[in-house]
Amino acid sequence: RKEVEQDPGPFNVPEGATVAFNCTYSNSASQSFFWYRQDCRKEPKLLMSVYSSGNEDGRFTAQLNRASQYISLLIRDSKLSDSATYLCAVNPRESSGDKLTFGTGTRLAVRP
Amino acid sequence: GAVVSQHPSRVICKSGTSVKIECRSLDFQATTMFWYRQFPKKSLMLMATSNEGSKATYEQGVEKDKFLINHASLTLSTLTVTSAHPEDSSFYICSASGERVQETQYFGPGTRLLVL
Repeated sequence: RKEVEQDPGPFNVPEGATVAFNCTYSNSASQSFFWYRQDCRKEPKLLMSVYSSGNEDGRFTAQLNRASQYISLLIRDSKLSDSATYLCAVNPRESSGDKLTFGTGTRLAVRP
Repeated sequence: GAVVSQHPSRVICKSGTSVKIECRSLDFQATTMFWYRQFPKKSLMLMATSNEGSKATYEQGVEKDKFLINHASLTLSTLTVTSAHPEDSSFYICSASGERVQETQYFGPGTRLLVL
């Protein structure tokens, strides 16, 4: 089983739709979780950290489910500009320091 | 936010030459820098982790003599691809984390390497 797994998509949604992505991780001792956004031929950019209590930033909501070992990202009222690949990242072990393991990414395409 | 720069953004070189890529943290001290490579439509693959003043830790399968990493200061790390071959053509991205941005990695804009 991969350390971090994501559905590659693509998710094709109309503008205004709500879309959710999940990301599963295999190591139950994982400490930190993040969502990054990567545009085509660009570097990943931090979208948000994922906290145990869940967190929200505008149209974006991230949640952590430790029991089932997954994190989720919910995007409400999708915009055309949300089209990108969304990468989840997990710090798998406390001893690994700041090392992150990335999923392969989920591609989102928002259509007019 | 934390800013990381990378230079050059793009390089084309002949097979057999060496290429050096610089990664700088501009507004924070990066105690740790990471080097990744990414093939088209694939995920980031961590190559190595470097801490300032010490030898880099390479991931399994990454040749340390081919990909030389130097982290000479808290704001600069370099990756040198030695004797580059066409199969080394890829998108190389660095990231940095440090005291101010603990646990979170901020990425440089990447370097696109094409080896002819």
